[in-house]
Amino acid sequence: DQQVKQNSPSLSVQEGRISILNCDYTNSMFDYFLWYKKYPAEGPTFLISISSIKDKNEDGRFTVFLNKSAKHLSLHIVPSQPGDSAVYFCAASIGSGTYKYIFGTGTRLKVLA
Amino acid sequence: DTEVTQTPKHLVMGMTNKKSLKCEQHMGHRAMYWYKQKAKKPPELMFVYSYEKLSINESVPSRFSPECPNSSLLNLHLHALQPEDSALYLCASSRQGFPYEQYFGPGTRLTVT
Repeated sequence: DQQVKQNSPSLSVQEGRISILNCDYTNSMFDYFLWYKKYPAEGPTFLISISSIKDKNEDGRFTVFLNKSAKHLSLHIVPSQPGDSAVYFCAASIGSGTYKYIFGTGTRLKVLA
Repeated sequence: DTEVTQTPKHLVMGMTNKKSLKCEQHMGHRAMYWYKQKAKKPPELMFVYSYEKLSINESVPSRFSPECPNSSLLNLHLHALQPEDSALYLCASSRQGFPYEQYFGPGTRLTVT
């Protein structure tokens, strides 16, 4: 049972445009969410996070939106750059100090120059 | 220094071999993790150490044996593996307590023949 899902396995976007990556979850106990980027032959790199007490968090070109009622979060990248081409994973955690993170299935983003 | 290092990068082993994967971080993190990632799948949590003590074992077969000799080092001892254990093994670390972002190493690509 996949508790965190990314229903789009891949996404192509023109350079300079907005990239929107989506993530849905089923467990209402999740209270902290993270986005990671992964290049081939490298480990995931942390991008941005959001606590369940917020509905938006912004860091430079990256903004994460959380809709708790819909159990949905999204990552917006504006403007998209060719170096953003990678696999993006969302991840969710239950509770403080549990150290347990559930990763989504990943979306491969390709930014076209 | 925000680097997590893993050795070796690649490992090929037979089903009767014994080998070890090593992970090191010098960020002062007291939570360390082992994940397994198969192709086109999300990372799956295997073990979590908190303050050098095993706090999570996700029902991993005993042919995988983790060890945390000190706060900077994490090992994964492998014995009598099966071909289906072939995967990318990722080590990560984070601050302890409230969910914090994890810093991942580049992984060890393991092939069991």
